[in-house]
Amino acid sequence: EPEVTQTPSHQVTQMGQEVILRCVPISNHLYFYWYRQILGQKVEFLVSFYNNEISEKSEIFDDQFSVERPDGSNFTLKIRSTKLEDSAMYFCASSEGRINYGYTFGSGTRLTVV
Amino acid sequence: DAKTTQPNSMESNEEEPVHLPCNHSTISGTDYIHWYRQLPSQGPEYVIHGLTSNVNNRMASLAIAEDRKSSTLILHRATLRDAAVYYCILRALSGGTGGFKTIFGAGTRLFVKA
Repeated sequence: EPEVTQTPSHQVTQMGQEVILRCVPISNHLYFYWYRQILGQKVEFLVSFYNNEISEKSEIFDDQFSVERPDGSNFTLKIRSTKLEDSAMYFCASSEGRINYGYTFGSGTRLTVV
Repeated sequence: DAKTTQPNSMESNEEEPVHLPCNHSTISGTDYIHWYRQLPSQGPEYVIHGLTSNVNNRMASLAIAEDRKSSTLILHRATLRDAAVYYCILRALSGGTGGFKTIFGAGTRLFVKA
């Protein structure tokens, strides 16, 4: 079964550093998403991406965050200057279409900011 | 997206059927009902979705009330591996080209006893 692949599985970074989280969505999917989950809390929507642009973003997704699909296969989330409160699991997801399709999620990147 | 209400937790015995309820009294005619689950330490996993008719797949069945104000996810024979948080989510077009998102609530934590 096709999978969404995320790398790295775990990243430790110092506060103030930039991090890039990488995702390879399923190849025929057109819609891409980033979510995060702080330990013990809900899964939170960050951003959705379609046709090479952001289609929706949450209030969490401020100027410190950016997304890119640099080469037609990878989908990246960049955090420019990490804060302690950015420590969380970050999940990438993709879907074939809109509301009549389910999302396939990756297994996540655990980001620890120290 | 319209709101859903689920019990905080439920318990089941292994190898017995499980019926996970969801109320969505403010559902609109074009809202799809989606179910996801999240196993411990994993990303969310799509389970099933439907609009009006009951749906079956290899993972579960979805029973939708005639007035669509509630639905039930049915696991026909619970295993220990089905212990997870189950999310009932309504999906609607939220406007804009490609603009949409899936918002996760607190879900129902299912405990399965051996």
